[in-house]
Amino acid sequence: DSGVTQTPKHLITATGQRVTLRCSPRSGDLSVYWYQQSLDQGLQFLIQYYNGEERAKGNILERFSAQQFPDLHSELNLSSLELGDSALYFCASSVGQINEQFFGPGTRLTVL
Amino acid sequence: EDQVTQSPEALRLQEGESSSLNCSYTVSGLRGLFWYRQDPGKGPEFLFTLYSAGEEKEKERLKATLTKKESFLHITAPKPEDSATYLCAVQSAGGYQKVTFGTGTKLQVIP
Repeated sequence: DSGVTQTPKHLITATGQRVTLRCSPRSGDLSVYWYQQSLDQGLQFLIQYYNGEERAKGNILERFSAQQFPDLHSELNLSSLELGDSALYFCASSVGQINEQFFGPGTRLTVL
Repeated sequence: EDQVTQSPEALRLQEGESSSLNCSYTVSGLRGLFWYRQDPGKGPEFLFTLYSAGEEKEKERLKATLTKKESFLHITAPKPEDSATYLCAVQSAGGYQKVTFGTGTKLQVIP
C-alpha cells in the first residue's frame, strides 16, 4: 500500500459525459501527478501540482482539467468523453518536485 | 522533446538466469532518472532514483546504473516473483520539468 488513495476504482460512462476522479496523496506529500495509461500508449504524464499550484504539464487535452485543493487532495475532470479516453488513470504523489513518486491503485475508466 | 526508449520490450528468463534491461534517454538537462516496477492492473512501485552519471543503487536482486545516455537495471539470479513490467522515467531540468516514462520491459521469470 503506497498511501495514495484514488476514487472511484472503476467508472463506466457514455460518450459526451463528464467525470471527476479524486486523489488523496500520502501524508506530507505536496506534489500530485496525474497519468493516463492505455494499452497502446504506455504511461502518459498529464499534469503536476505542487502545494496547490500547477508546476508541470504534459500532453493533457483541453477537455481535461485538474486542480489541487488546500487540503492537498486533487481532482481530475474529464469532459466531453470519447471512446479513446478509456484507460487507467493514475495519481501519484511525492514530497517535493523532483522526488520519487508513489502511485495510487488507479481508476479504470470505460467510455461506452 | 524528452525521449525514453526501453529495450527489450519483453524478456523471458529462467529462474537464476541474470540479465540487464536498458533505458536510453535524451533529455534537456537531467534532474533525475527513476525505475519503477508495475504489476498488471496496479500502480507502478518505486524502485530507484539516480541523479548523475556513475551513480549506482542496489536493492535485493536489482542494481541500477546510470551513464550520460542510458541506464541499466541488472537483475541477478531472478525469481518468479520478479516477473513484472519495469518502467524507466526521466525528469527534465528545463522548462516545465515534466516526467517522461518509457513503455517498459515486460519481464517473465520461469521456474
